[in-house]
Amino acid sequence: KAGVTQTPRYLIKTRGQQVTLSCSPISGHRSVSWYQQTPGQGLQFLFEYFSETQRNKGNFPGRFSGRQFSNSRSEMNVSTLELGDSALYLCASSYTGTGEYTFGSGTRLTVV
Amino acid sequence: QKEVEQNSGPLSVPEGAIASLNCTYSDRVSQSFFWYRQYSGKSPELIMSIYSNGDKEDGRFTAQLNKASQYVSLLIRDSQPSDSATYLCAVRGTALIFGKGTTLSVSS
Repeated sequence: KAGVTQTPRYLIKTRGQQVTLSCSPISGHRSVSWYQQTPGQGLQFLFEYFSETQRNKGNFPGRFSGRQFSNSRSEMNVSTLELGDSALYLCASSYTGTGEYTFGSGTRLTVV
Repeated sequence: QKEVEQNSGPLSVPEGAIASLNCTYSDRVSQSFFWYRQYSGKSPELIMSIYSNGDKEDGRFTAQLNKASQYVSLLIRDSQPSDSATYLCAVRGTALIFGKGTTLSVSS
């Protein structure tokens, strides 16, 4: 059974650029959540999607956005990148969305 | 945003001992509680879920929930060096919120 697939694994971007990260959930999972992980702040909640609808959004600026497609794949976009956006971005999927998540391997974003 | 608090550690225990990990949360309407384990350089993986007050046992792991005290704990019996990892407490209210994790080190 395929797991949660995140692409790309690594990204290096320049301040001011924008970036799009992709997440393919486990087949049959309709819930996808995104988290930002940094050494100082731990796992911080970004968004949660269920059947193409954004159910919740974390306390991040409007530069962070996301969406979910009809096949449950999800993308998140960060515009006008700042140095502080450097982090590991993790996607997690769930069948029910209650909290029993399977995480992907993450996308490591470095902003220079 | 609702908070989930954990002692960052490190918590050091000898092999074979019981490791006790604790977590408190602020959102009284939270209904579901989870423990995830994260090895260095890896993604979090779910090890326990608990939904009602009391204890839930799964092998060497026991999760304990006390909603009145807004407290969740994880006990690891017969700790092994392979249990050395960061343990993340997660609480589901309107969203799944994670604590910053407790680092456990089990020495052989």
